[in-house]
Amino acid sequence: GENVEQHPSTLSVQEGDSAVIKCTYSDSASNYFPWYKQELGKRPQLIIDIRSNVGEKKDQRIAVTLNKTAKHFSLHITETQPEDSAVYFCAAIVGSGNTGKLIFGQGTTLQVKP
Amino acid sequence: DAGVIQSPRHEVTEMGQEVTLRCKPISGHDYLFWYRQTMMRGLELLIYFNNNVPIDDSGMPEDRFSAKMPNASFSTLKIQPSEPRDSAVYFCASSLRGTLNEQFFGPGTRLTVL
Repeated sequence: GENVEQHPSTLSVQEGDSAVIKCTYSDSASNYFPWYKQELGKRPQLIIDIRSNVGEKKDQRIAVTLNKTAKHFSLHITETQPEDSAVYFCAAIVGSGNTGKLIFGQGTTLQVKP
Repeated sequence: DAGVIQSPRHEVTEMGQEVTLRCKPISGHDYLFWYRQTMMRGLELLIYFNNNVPIDDSGMPEDRFSAKMPNASFSTLKIQPSEPRDSAVYFCASSLRGTLNEQFFGPGTRLTVL
């Protein structure tokens, strides 16, 4: 079946360093790739998304890149802060048009050490 | 808006009992999703509705699970009979105009089946 692979499963960085999380997907027709952040005991919340008609998108310290040929996309967080510590999930749409469904990666636990 | 509302927040039941989880989506949203989150399987889509009609229920694990959306402001997920392996956090989410837009998650229901 369709799946999304996410790496690494855990990531520990020092405050101020950058963090990179990578995902690959299998459905070449996927055209929407959101990233969700889930703090401990809380609900997932969208932090950034990218559509297949662009290769990169930035929002302050967060950026996402997409390589459709290689079927992979990445989340980049610069100048990390302790409040960035959370589990991050990538996802990809599987299926056609606006009736597809999101398939989530397994998550990356990011720890930012002060 | 209060966001997506779920009840109960915690449910502890014994194997074989019926469990009903409830969700109120954000007013005006036309898509509603039910997800299950476990350490082993991550975040997986169970079923989603568009304008109260089920669109994709391929993620519903088996006949013990059923979901309904009798109107635009209410949905239920029922497990009958419940089993210990159903223990998980169940999230409801809603979105406006499709699966290619941000999904807003509720706080989740933590279900424990003894």
